[in-house]
Amino acid sequence: SQQGEEDPQALSIQEGENATMNCSYKTSINNLQWYRQNSGRGLVHLILIRSNEREKHSGRLRVTLDTSKKSSSLLITASRAADTASYFCATLNSGTYKYIFGTGTRLKVLA
Amino acid sequence: SAVISQKPSRDICQRGTSLTIQCQVDSQVTMMFWYRQQPGQSLTLIATANQGSEATYESGFVIDKFPISRPNLTFSTLTVSNMSPEDSSIYLCSVRAGGSTDTQYFGPGTRLTVL
Repeated sequence: SQQGEEDPQALSIQEGENATMNCSYKTSINNLQWYRQNSGRGLVHLILIRSNEREKHSGRLRVTLDTSKKSSSLLITASRAADTASYFCATLNSGTYKYIFGTGTRLKVLA
Repeated sequence: SAVISQKPSRDICQRGTSLTIQCQVDSQVTMMFWYRQQPGQSLTLIATANQGSEATYESGFVIDKFPISRPNLTFSTLTVSNMSPEDSSIYLCSVRAGGSTDTQYFGPGTRLTVL
């Protein structure tokens, strides 16, 4: 399977702490995106990082990309209860031009 | 960004029946996709639906089971045919933004339960 993998599968932290999720993929990519999904609803686009970028910030989010290791990380700083959701990475395969989704991380932020 | 709506938001259907899901986008887009998300799982691409051509299906998905229409650049439908309980999933419509970003946006999903 070409599906990417994320770890941890589940993460439980206290409000105010930082949350780090990792994504590994297998193929050559054009870009990588991170999404949030609240309780089985639609996916919300968080941030896109291109293959020639190494780090990107958006508010409390920080994303890194290491194409040599085929991995990315999403850091959420000063987490809030409202950040409780599943987070998915998706890589744009440079051969097929289709997005492949990771297995997801379920984040629970305790108030 | 693109704003995507889907109808219905959820449905409970009987085995053997069919359900058509509608996807409406607030702007014209070339590339539209349908995904399935089985309970507790990640997203799997069903097919790519580009206007003016037949949908392209991924391995494991066939047109007879998941017929797709794409009559114009803002609308598409996915039908789940002859449903069985294994079809119980969230079905998501998605579009890809033009330009250099390739950002992909998702609709709110249709939660389907088959009894």
